[in-house]
Amino acid sequence: QSVLTQPPSVSEAPRQRVTISCSGSSSNIGNNAVNWFLQLPGKAPKLLIYYDDLLTSGVSDRFSGSKSGTSASLAISGLQSEDEGDYYCAAWDDSLNGVVFGGGTKLTVL
Amino acid sequence: QVQLQESGPGLVKPSQTLSLTCTVSGGSISSGYYYWNWIRRHPGKGLEWIGCIRYSGTTYYNPSLKSRVTISVDTSENQFSLRLTSVTAADTAVYYCARDASSVGVPAGGMDVWGPGTTVTVSS
Repeated sequence: QSVLTQPPSVSEAPRQRVTISCSGSSSNIGNNAVNWFLQLPGKAPKLLIYYDDLLTSGVSDRFSGSKSGTSASLAISGLQSEDEGDYYCAAWDDSLNGVVFGGGTKLTVL
Repeated sequence: QVQLQESGPGLVKPSQTLSLTCTVSGGSISSGYYYWNWIRRHPGKGLEWIGCIRYSGTTYYNPSLKSRVTISVDTSENQFSLRLTSVTAADTAVYYCARDASSVGVPAGGMDVWGPGTTVTVSS
C-alpha cells in the first residue's frame, strides 16, 4: 500500500487529454513539492515535472502539473502512442522522513 | 553532462548482503545541493525509495528498510554505495541510482538523473 494514491490505470484515445491523480496528506503533498516521472518498459524513470508544476527541460509542453491541498495531478494533452508507460508521483514525507512514491499509473493510448 | 552507472553482483544468496556501487561521471559528487539516491522496482510492482546520501555524509533511509540498509559515499572515487543485509527473495528487483537536485534542505524527490538500472536476483 503506497503512501501516495494513484489510479492503477487510465486510457484515452490519441489526440485527447488525460489526467492522472495523486492523493496524499498534509505530511507529504500538502507541505512539499510533487514530482512526476514516466517509466517506459525496460528503461529508467524520467523526470517530467518537478516542484509541482515545473517542466523538465526537453520535456514536451503537452505535459503539465498542478497541485491543490493534498492532491496533485498530471495532465497530458494531445495524446500520442509514445506517451504509453507507467507514471509515478513522488514527494518528501515529513512524518516518515523519506521520499514516498505513488503506486504508479499505467497509461494506455487506445 | 552527469551520468550514473550502477555496478555489482546480479545474483545474491538468501541471508547474504547485497552490495551495489553507483559511479558518477561528468561531474563531482561533492558539488551542489545534491542527494544521491537508491531506488528499486520489484518485478511487476512500482518504485520504492531505499534511501539517499549527501557528499557530507548526511543520510535518509526508508523506515521499512532502515534496519538493513547502509548508504555510503566515497568522494575520492566519485561513487556512492548501497549495502542491504539479510536479503530474501523479496529483495529481488531492478536497482537504480539517481540524483536529486534539492534546494530545500531535505530531499525533494525530484530525481533528474538516473542510472540505467541493474537487476539483482536473490536466489540460492
